[in-house]
Amino acid sequence: EVQLVETGGGLIQPGGSLRLSCAVSGFSVSSNYMSWVRQAPGKGLEWVSVIYSGDITYYGDSVKGRFTISRDNSKNTVYLQMNTLRAEDTAVYYCARDTLTGSSYYFDYWGQGTLVTVSS
Amino acid sequence: DIQMTQSPSSLSASVGDRVTITCRASQSISSYLNWYQHKPGKAPKCLIYAASSLQSGVPSRFSGSGSGTDFTLTISSLQPEDFATYYCQQSYSTSQITFGQGTRLEIK
Repeated sequence: EVQLVETGGGLIQPGGSLRLSCAVSGFSVSSNYMSWVRQAPGKGLEWVSVIYSGDITYYGDSVKGRFTISRDNSKNTVYLQMNTLRAEDTAVYYCARDTLTGSSYYFDYWGQGTLVTVSS
Repeated sequence: DIQMTQSPSSLSASVGDRVTITCRASQSISSYLNWYQHKPGKAPKCLIYAASSLQSGVPSRFSGSGSGTDFTLTISSLQPEDFATYYCQQSYSTSQITFGQGTRLEIK
Protein backbone atom coordinates (compact mmCIF):
# COMPACT_ATOMS: atom_id res chain seq x y z
CA GLU A 1 0.00 0.00 0.00
CA VAL A 2 1.26 3.46 -0.89
CA GLN A 3 1.55 5.97 1.96
CA LEU A 4 3.01 9.43 2.19
CA VAL A 5 3.26 10.88 5.69
CA GLU A 6 4.27 14.48 6.23
CA THR A 7 5.73 15.66 9.54
CA GLY A 8 7.56 18.66 10.86
CA GLY A 9 4.89 21.34 10.77
CA GLY A 10 4.17 23.66 13.65
CA LEU A 11 4.22 27.23 14.88
CA ILE A 12 7.28 29.24 13.91
CA GLN A 13 8.14 32.92 14.20
CA PRO A 14 8.66 35.06 11.10
CA GLY A 15 12.24 34.77 9.88
CA GLY A 16 12.60 31.29 11.34
CA SER A 17 13.35 27.95 9.71
CA LEU A 18 11.55 24.63 9.60
CA ARG A 19 12.18 21.32 7.87
CA LEU A 20 9.29 19.23 6.66
CA SER A 21 9.64 15.51 6.03
CA CYS A 22 7.60 13.22 3.79
CA ALA A 23 8.13 9.56 4.62
CA VAL A 24 7.09 7.31 1.78
CA SER A 25 6.15 3.64 1.71
CA GLY A 26 5.02 1.56 -1.25
CA PHE A 27 7.38 3.03 -3.83
CA SER A 28 10.91 4.37 -4.01
CA VAL A 29 11.46 8.13 -3.93
CA SER A 30 14.76 7.64 -5.75
CA SER A 31 12.99 6.60 -8.95
CA ASN A 32 10.05 8.98 -8.77
CA TYR A 33 9.46 12.68 -9.12
CA MET A 34 8.24 14.26 -5.89
CA SER A 35 6.59 17.62 -5.26
CA TRP A 36 5.45 19.80 -2.42
CA VAL A 37 2.11 21.61 -2.78
CA ARG A 38 0.59 23.96 -0.22
CA GLN A 39 -2.78 25.48 0.62
CA ALA A 40 -2.95 28.68 2.63
CA PRO A 41 -6.05 29.22 4.79
CA GLY A 42 -9.02 30.06 2.58
CA LYS A 43 -6.88 29.86 -0.58
CA GLY A 44 -6.34 27.40 -3.40
CA LEU A 45 -3.62 24.89 -4.10
CA GLU A 46 -0.16 26.29 -4.87
CA TRP A 47 2.70 24.22 -6.20
CA VAL A 48 5.90 24.83 -4.19
CA SER A 49 8.72 22.64 -5.48
CA VAL A 50 9.65 19.47 -7.36
CA ILE A 51 12.65 17.16 -7.36
CA TYR A 52 13.32 15.17 -10.50
CA SER A 53 15.76 12.42 -11.32
CA GLY A 54 19.37 13.48 -11.12
CA ASP A 55 18.26 15.72 -8.23
CA ILE A 56 17.14 18.45 -10.60
CA THR A 57 14.96 20.83 -8.61
CA TYR A 58 12.56 23.65 -9.38
CA TYR A 59 10.70 26.11 -7.17
CA GLY A 60 7.71 28.40 -7.30
CA ASP A 61 8.55 32.10 -7.53
CA SER A 62 7.19 32.80 -4.03
CA VAL A 63 9.68 30.43 -2.34
CA LYS A 64 12.69 30.54 -4.67
CA GLY A 65 15.88 31.23 -2.73
CA ARG A 66 14.26 30.43 0.63
CA PHE A 67 13.11 26.79 0.32
CA THR A 68 15.16 23.73 -0.61
CA ILE A 69 13.79 20.33 -1.60
CA SER A 70 15.89 17.21 -1.16
CA ARG A 71 15.56 13.47 -0.64
CA ASP A 72 17.27 10.73 1.32
CA ASN A 73 16.96 7.52 -0.67
CA SER A 74 18.13 5.37 2.24
CA LYS A 75 15.23 6.65 4.35
CA ASN A 76 12.82 6.85 1.40
CA THR A 77 11.99 10.38 2.53
CA VAL A 78 11.64 13.75 0.85
CA TYR A 79 12.35 16.99 2.69
CA LEU A 80 11.47 20.65 2.38
CA GLN A 81 13.85 22.98 4.16
CA MET A 82 12.09 26.30 4.69
CA ASN A 83 14.15 29.33 5.66
CA THR A 84 13.32 33.00 6.22
CA LEU A 85 9.70 32.11 6.78
CA ARG A 86 7.00 34.74 6.27
CA ALA A 87 3.42 35.00 7.44
CA GLU A 88 2.29 34.24 3.90
CA ASP A 89 4.00 30.84 4.09
CA THR A 90 1.31 29.76 6.57
CA ALA A 91 -0.37 26.79 4.94
CA VAL A 92 -1.00 23.09 4.94
CA TYR A 93 1.91 21.50 3.09
CA TYR A 94 1.32 18.32 1.09
CA CYS A 95 3.86 16.08 -0.56
CA ALA A 96 2.79 14.30 -3.71
CA ARG A 97 4.18 11.87 -6.26
CA ASP A 98 4.41 13.28 -9.76
CA THR A 99 3.80 10.29 -12.00
CA LEU A 100 4.31 9.93 -15.75
CA THR A 101 1.69 8.23 -17.89
CA GLY A 102 2.37 8.38 -21.59
CA SER A 103 3.86 11.82 -21.89
CA SER A 104 1.73 13.44 -19.20
CA TYR A 105 2.64 14.12 -15.59
CA TYR A 106 0.12 14.32 -12.77
CA PHE A 107 0.00 13.95 -8.99
CA ASP A 108 -1.36 10.49 -8.27
CA TYR A 109 -0.51 10.01 -4.58
CA TRP A 110 -0.69 12.64 -1.86
CA GLY A 111 -0.03 12.80 1.83
CA GLN A 112 -2.54 14.13 4.36
CA GLY A 113 -0.59 17.34 4.88
CA THR A 114 1.17 19.11 7.74
CA LEU A 115 0.24 22.58 8.97
CA VAL A 116 2.85 25.32 9.13
CA THR A 117 1.88 28.49 10.97
CA VAL A 118 4.20 31.48 10.76
CA SER A 119 3.29 33.98 13.46
CA SER A 120 4.81 35.94 16.30
CA ASP B 1 4.63 31.32 -16.04
CA ILE B 2 1.52 29.73 -17.46
CA GLN B 3 -1.60 31.14 -15.79
CA MET B 4 -4.64 28.92 -15.33
CA THR B 5 -8.06 30.53 -14.97
CA GLN B 6 -11.10 28.56 -13.87
CA SER B 7 -14.74 29.53 -14.15
CA PRO B 8 -16.91 29.81 -12.31
CA SER B 9 -15.17 30.38 -8.97
CA SER B 10 -18.16 28.90 -7.20
CA LEU B 11 -21.23 27.02 -8.26
CA SER B 12 -24.45 25.88 -6.58
CA ALA B 13 -26.10 22.76 -7.93
CA SER B 14 -28.44 19.97 -6.91
CA VAL B 15 -27.99 16.23 -6.74
CA GLY B 16 -28.59 14.82 -10.20
CA ASP B 17 -27.55 18.01 -12.04
CA ARG B 18 -25.07 18.06 -14.88
CA VAL B 19 -22.20 20.41 -14.06
CA THR B 20 -19.42 21.83 -16.22
CA ILE B 21 -16.32 23.65 -15.00
CA THR B 22 -13.99 25.36 -17.43
CA CYS B 23 -10.27 26.04 -17.28
CA ARG B 24 -8.33 28.32 -19.60
CA ALA B 25 -4.55 28.42 -19.99
CA SER B 26 -2.67 31.61 -20.82
CA GLN B 27 -0.87 29.76 -23.61
CA SER B 28 -1.27 26.47 -25.39
CA ILE B 29 -0.53 23.48 -23.16
CA SER B 30 -1.56 20.76 -25.61
CA SER B 31 -3.33 18.14 -23.46
CA TYR B 32 -1.12 18.55 -20.38
CA LEU B 33 -4.05 19.33 -18.11
CA ASN B 34 -5.16 17.52 -14.98
CA TRP B 35 -8.21 17.88 -12.72
CA TYR B 36 -8.32 17.34 -8.97
CA GLN B 37 -11.06 17.14 -6.36
CA HIS B 38 -10.29 18.48 -2.89
CA LYS B 39 -12.40 18.12 0.23
CA PRO B 40 -11.65 19.89 3.54
CA GLY B 41 -9.19 17.98 5.69
CA LYS B 42 -8.44 15.47 2.96
CA ALA B 43 -5.69 15.02 0.42
CA PRO B 44 -6.50 16.21 -3.11
CA LYS B 45 -7.49 13.45 -5.51
CA CYS B 46 -6.74 13.27 -9.21
CA LEU B 47 -9.87 12.72 -11.30
CA ILE B 48 -8.67 13.32 -14.85
CA TYR B 49 -5.18 13.42 -16.32
CA ALA B 50 -3.96 14.33 -19.79
CA ALA B 51 -7.17 16.35 -20.30
CA SER B 52 -9.50 13.40 -20.83
CA SER B 53 -8.12 10.23 -19.22
CA LEU B 54 -10.08 8.98 -16.23
CA GLN B 55 -7.88 8.13 -13.26
CA SER B 56 -8.28 4.56 -12.01
CA GLY B 57 -11.12 4.18 -9.52
CA VAL B 58 -12.83 7.45 -10.42
CA PRO B 59 -16.54 7.13 -11.30
CA SER B 60 -17.42 7.43 -14.98
CA ARG B 61 -19.75 10.40 -14.31
CA PHE B 62 -16.57 12.49 -14.35
CA SER B 63 -15.18 13.38 -17.77
CA GLY B 64 -12.72 15.86 -19.20
CA SER B 65 -12.21 17.40 -22.61
CA GLY B 66 -10.25 20.06 -24.43
CA SER B 67 -6.80 20.81 -25.76
CA GLY B 68 -4.66 23.84 -26.42
CA THR B 69 -5.95 26.54 -24.08
CA ASP B 70 -9.56 25.57 -23.25
CA PHE B 71 -10.62 22.62 -21.11
CA THR B 72 -13.73 21.40 -19.34
CA LEU B 73 -14.54 19.05 -16.49
CA THR B 74 -18.06 17.63 -16.59
CA ILE B 75 -19.93 15.76 -13.89
CA SER B 76 -22.85 14.11 -15.62
CA SER B 77 -25.09 13.54 -12.59
CA LEU B 78 -24.02 15.09 -9.31
CA GLN B 79 -23.86 12.84 -6.29
CA PRO B 80 -23.77 14.01 -2.66
CA GLU B 81 -20.11 13.06 -2.34
CA ASP B 82 -19.16 15.32 -5.28
CA PHE B 83 -19.57 18.56 -3.36
CA ALA B 84 -16.00 19.77 -3.05
CA THR B 85 -13.51 22.18 -4.63
CA TYR B 86 -12.13 21.34 -8.06
CA TYR B 87 -8.79 22.45 -9.47
CA CYS B 88 -7.19 22.26 -12.87
CA GLN B 89 -3.40 21.97 -13.11
CA GLN B 90 -1.06 22.28 -16.08
CA SER B 91 1.91 19.94 -16.43
CA TYR B 92 3.14 21.39 -19.74
CA SER B 93 5.79 23.43 -17.96
CA THR B 94 7.44 20.88 -15.68
CA SER B 95 9.63 23.56 -14.11
CA GLN B 96 6.70 25.80 -13.12
CA ILE B 97 3.61 23.79 -12.35
CA THR B 98 0.48 25.88 -11.86
CA PHE B 99 -3.03 25.29 -10.59
CA GLY B 100 -6.22 27.15 -11.35
CA GLN B 101 -7.73 29.15 -8.51
CA GLY B 102 -10.35 26.49 -7.82
CA THR B 103 -14.10 26.08 -8.28
CA ARG B 104 -16.14 25.50 -5.15
CA LEU B 105 -19.14 23.27 -5.84
CA GLU B 106 -21.87 23.71 -3.25
CA ILE B 107 -25.25 22.15 -2.63
CA LYS B 108 -28.21 24.26 -3.78
